Amino acid sequence: QLQLQESGPGLVKPSETLSLTCIVSGGSISSTNHYWGWIRQPPGKGLEWIGSIPYSGGTYYNSSLKWRVTISLDTSRNQFSLSLGSVTAADTAVYYCARHYLEQLAPRGNWFDLWGQGTLVTVSS
Amino acid sequence: QSVLTQPPSVSAAPGQRVTISCSGSSSNIGDNSISWYQQLPGTAPKLLIYDTNRRPSGIPDRFSGSRSGTSATLGITGLQTGDEADYYCGTWDSSLSAGVFGGGTKLTVL
Repeated sequence: QLQLQESGPGLVKPSETLSLTCIVSGGSISSTNHYWGWIRQPPGKGLEWIGSIPYSGGTYYNSSLKWRVTISLDTSRNQFSLSLGSVTAADTAVYYCARHYLEQLAPRGNWFDLWGQGTLVTVSS
Repeated sequence: QSVLTQPPSVSAAPGQRVTISCSGSSSNIGDNSISWYQQLPGTAPKLLIYDTNRRPSGIPDRFSGSRSGTSATLGITGLQTGDEADYYCGTWDSSLSAGVFGGGTKLTVL
């Protein structure tokens, strides 16, 4: 049974870079059928998709975060990572990693079928 | 402001049926499949419906999904107190080339 687990610091200072890693166990990240995504949820608010990366091909990013975010894949360690720069208090949220099924052609099937437990990242000095 | 619009809250009595709506546009719900997620308090979201109307293994048939034009609906029958949760719709927006979610709906089982 494939499982995902987020890891990283729970506290980041304003203007610095938030870095998180999602460790995938019980299966390979080198799946050509899936993307690997990040979603966040500010306290008391809804879900916001950050971006998704495939095993091969182009990465998709939320345009509102595009200039600050990078998602990368490390197949040798079976994990993928999120980097969000120039953070402010508005970036305080629970960050989830998830397996993302995304079809290439319309009508595009699109769903997140496996999720990590989430990790709270607070931006504060 | 979410791309997809959901009612903030719905409520119904145990055993009753409830529906949760999700309104979008021709570039998202009208063009791609919809998924629904259940988020119990303090936990990660869980896939409830995928590909608009399909249920993952282990999800009871009390949960159903449908679409009409640019709106989608999640239906829950035989409500149980354990169904109290936040529910989110999601899809892909072809114009934005982005994943999008609704703002979420809090279900209260009275």
